Amino acid sequence: QVQLQESGPGLVKPSQTLSLTCTVSGGSIGSGGYYWSWIRQHPGKGLEWIGYTYYTGSAYYNPSLKSRVTISVDTSKNQFSLKLTSVTAADTAIYYCARGEFYGDYVGAFDYWGQGTLVTVSS
Amino acid sequence: SSELTQDPAVSVALGQTVRITCQGDRLRSYYASWYQQKPGQAPLLVIYAKDNRPSGIPDRFSGSSSGNTASLTIAGAQAEDEAVYYCNSRDSSGNLLGAFGGGTKLTVL
Repeated sequence: QVQLQESGPGLVKPSQTLSLTCTVSGGSIGSGGYYWSWIRQHPGKGLEWIGYTYYTGSAYYNPSLKSRVTISVDTSKNQFSLKLTSVTAADTAIYYCARGEFYGDYVGAFDYWGQGTLVTVSS
Repeated sequence: SSELTQDPAVSVALGQTVRITCQGDRLRSYYASWYQQKPGQAPLLVIYAKDNRPSGIPDRFSGSSSGNTASLTIAGAQAEDEAVYYCNSRDSSGNLLGAFGGGTKLTVL
């Protein structure tokens, strides 16, 4: 059974960089076939895709966040990470890591999710 | 605004059938997946590739698609189905899982 677990600071100061790590167990990132993803949810709001990375290091981002986001992967630790720079209060959200699987060119899904971690941006 | 449009709220009587819809131009070519989120929990995949259920998802959940609309149907809704449901599909930038609908709050009466 694949499990994902987010970790990182729960409080970040405005203008600083938000850094989170997702540790994967029950499966190997390096075996390929999946897109390792970050998704966030503002308090009381809907889901927002941030981006995903492949085990090769290729990464794809939400255009609205692309200038501030970096998602990287460390296959030796079976982890992937999120960095979001120049944060403001608008970045306060629950951040989820998830595994994305593509079933073909026209269909995919996030089949496993972490429990989520609340990150608050405040001085 | 979201590239995928969902009704904000839907209600259904206990044991009745309810359909939750998701509209978007790219749904003419790309399938949607559906997620159930209960308060304080992470989203849970309930339907993928139009009408496939992950292991453990009851068969009262089904999916369909027609034109620019994807639908999630719950046949014989149970109290435990009360949740927010999100659709997901390709975004306008070509990311296959890049767009979420705004979510539909399902109330089971």
